[in-house]
Amino acid sequence: QQQVKQSPQSLIVQKGGISIINCAYENTAFDYFPWYQQFPGKGPALLIAIRPDVSEKKEGRFTISFNKSAKQFSLHIMDSQPGDSATYFCAASTGNQFYFGTGTSLTVIP
Amino acid sequence: GAVVSQHPSRVICKSGTSVKIECRSLDFQATTMFWYRQFPKQSLMLMATSNEGSKATYEQGVEKDKFLINHASLTLSTLTVTSAHPEDSSFYICSAPGVDSYEQYFGPGTRLTVT
Repeated sequence: QQQVKQSPQSLIVQKGGISIINCAYENTAFDYFPWYQQFPGKGPALLIAIRPDVSEKKEGRFTISFNKSAKQFSLHIMDSQPGDSATYFCAASTGNQFYFGTGTSLTVIP
Repeated sequence: GAVVSQHPSRVICKSGTSVKIECRSLDFQATTMFWYRQFPKQSLMLMATSNEGSKATYEQGVEKDKFLINHASLTLSTLTVTSAHPEDSSFYICSAPGVDSYEQYFGPGTRLTVT
């Protein structure tokens, strides 16, 4: 059973546009929600993360929106750039147990 | 952030042989490390939790006799794929929790190809 559901599977955005990736979870015990960026042939790199006690966190062009009641969270990439083209994974964790979404392949076209 | 390294980055081995992959935490100690497997265009699948000084904990469906894990020190965990077969070809990634245990830091991955 997929603990974290992620959509869309792939996303194509024009340079300068906003990329939005969504995730949903069921387990209310999750207390940490990170997003990872992965380039081909590389390991995932932590991009931004949020705890459930806040509804939004922004770091540069990246923003996480968190809706605790709906058990959903999303990643917004503002002013998307070709260099942002990568696979993005959301995750949810409790303690050291991490559960990953299925990934979103983002392509930003010039 | 904390740095986790893996060695080798790529390895090609013949069917029936064994291959060892190392995972090191470079600037912090990790009593626990995690090993993942990732197939092309798919998500990370947790294989096992490596515990320093004790036996690893394997996820359901992962053969512990095939994927041997040794966490010999606070900075090193190894994954040995024994009697490798072509279906073991995959991208293997390790991770370790940082000082703030909420965060997980991933290694760069090891591409294993079994011919």
